[in-house]
Amino acid sequence: DGGITQSPKYLFRKEGQNVTLSCEQNLNHDAMYWYRQDPGQGLRLIYYSQIVNDFQKGDIAEGYSVSREKKESFPLTVTSAQKNPTAFYLCASSIGRDRGNSPLHFGNGTRLTVT
Amino acid sequence: SQQGEEDPQALSIQEGENATMNCSYKTSINNLQWYRQNSGRGLVHLILIRSNEREKHSGRLRVTLDTSKKSSSLLITASRAADTASYFCATDTTISSGSARQLTFGSGTQLTVLP
Repeated sequence: DGGITQSPKYLFRKEGQNVTLSCEQNLNHDAMYWYRQDPGQGLRLIYYSQIVNDFQKGDIAEGYSVSREKKESFPLTVTSAQKNPTAFYLCASSIGRDRGNSPLHFGNGTRLTVT
Repeated sequence: SQQGEEDPQALSIQEGENATMNCSYKTSINNLQWYRQNSGRGLVHLILIRSNEREKHSGRLRVTLDTSKKSSSLLITASRAADTASYFCATDTTISSGSARQLTFGSGTQLTVLP
């Protein structure tokens, strides 16, 4: 089955530690995205990547970093500089903007708790 | 800032009734999409309506788009308990030539269908 896999489902970290969230897709999609969701709110875009070795900041990139070394993988690092890291993190992919209108496919998220 | 805003924030109905959710937005769009999210899970794409379309159907779902009023509605007919979820609209806008598609999510409507 094709899809997006996020791991782990739950992650606990101490304040001051960096943590990396995994996102892998086997849909052969060019574009990948990271969103953050806080309770009762919509999704806010952290970073996105249209193609391997390229990525762009979204609306709330401060305190986060990403890499896109492979088409299938788009890991997100939550650094100690992120002031409020506790949230639900969602990874998504799409065929790519240059291939017309296409919906996003989402993983099932990673819930990060920092204490 | 939020591009799409859903109304109402929460909706509770009896099984078999119809559920209507509305979405308003501020700027010109390429398309508007509706997603569903079950508690603690990722989002699932439901339907996409292009800016030159006025109405679209998919099973028990009916979406309308009024670009003059910058609004859309999602109607779920003959609702079931399994329709209980959060529903989000997302607006697809082009930021500038050659940039990635920007998809901006609203804060969602929490639908509860009572058996």
